[in-house]
Amino acid sequence: DGGITQSPKYLFRKEGQNVTLSCEQNLNHDAMYWYRQDPGQGLRLIYYSQIVNDFQKGDIAEGYSVSREKKESFPLTVTSAQKNPTAFYLCASSATTGVVGTDTQYFGPGTRLTVL
Amino acid sequence: AQSVAQPEDQVNVAEGNPLTVKCTYSVSGNPYLFWYVQYPNRGLQFLLKYITGDNLVKGSYGFEAEFNKSQTSFHLKKPSALVSDSALYFCAVRITGANNLFFGTGTRLTVIP
Repeated sequence: DGGITQSPKYLFRKEGQNVTLSCEQNLNHDAMYWYRQDPGQGLRLIYYSQIVNDFQKGDIAEGYSVSREKKESFPLTVTSAQKNPTAFYLCASSATTGVVGTDTQYFGPGTRLTVL
Repeated sequence: AQSVAQPEDQVNVAEGNPLTVKCTYSVSGNPYLFWYVQYPNRGLQFLLKYITGDNLVKGSYGFEAEFNKSQTSFHLKKPSALVSDSALYFCAVRITGANNLFFGTGTRLTVIP
């Protein structure tokens, strides 16, 4: 899992509550990503950020929000608007060198969110 | 549109035998292809990638993959499987200029002692 940490490892939330997942990296990577993993569906991109104070929506951004105030940190908030938030959430980062698209994304250990 | 297919949900192989995990892709430009492995309740670990050049790519833990443009495939292989190779394997694709990494649905590899 390299220099990417995610906390907490397990998170339980009641319906209607917002919750924030932490992602920190010490790899000096410019780009950071949030993915959602559901059984049998692979990973889907929620948000990504190529540089501090800038981020873009991925394929499934509805009901989620992010911020990128520091290079090392990219927290994800799961809002009450997310209709089915129970999933495994993975953060990744990459060094943006060379041709865009060729960089390798390195993943954190993940946070398993369960909505009660 | 980009997409990745992993046609086998489950692959079983005996320890010491060669293993293959299949991946095919569909992209509108030149593909960049990646393989990751995931152990239970863990993040994804990078194994190898194809960007350009030699079609045979060697990666971590003795794994290799061959890029076949005519068949749009990028199958993962290992000459001799270990029980510790048992895990979930993901193939992923990107194209030039794209930030989004498109993943397949994963193949669960079980190596039988």
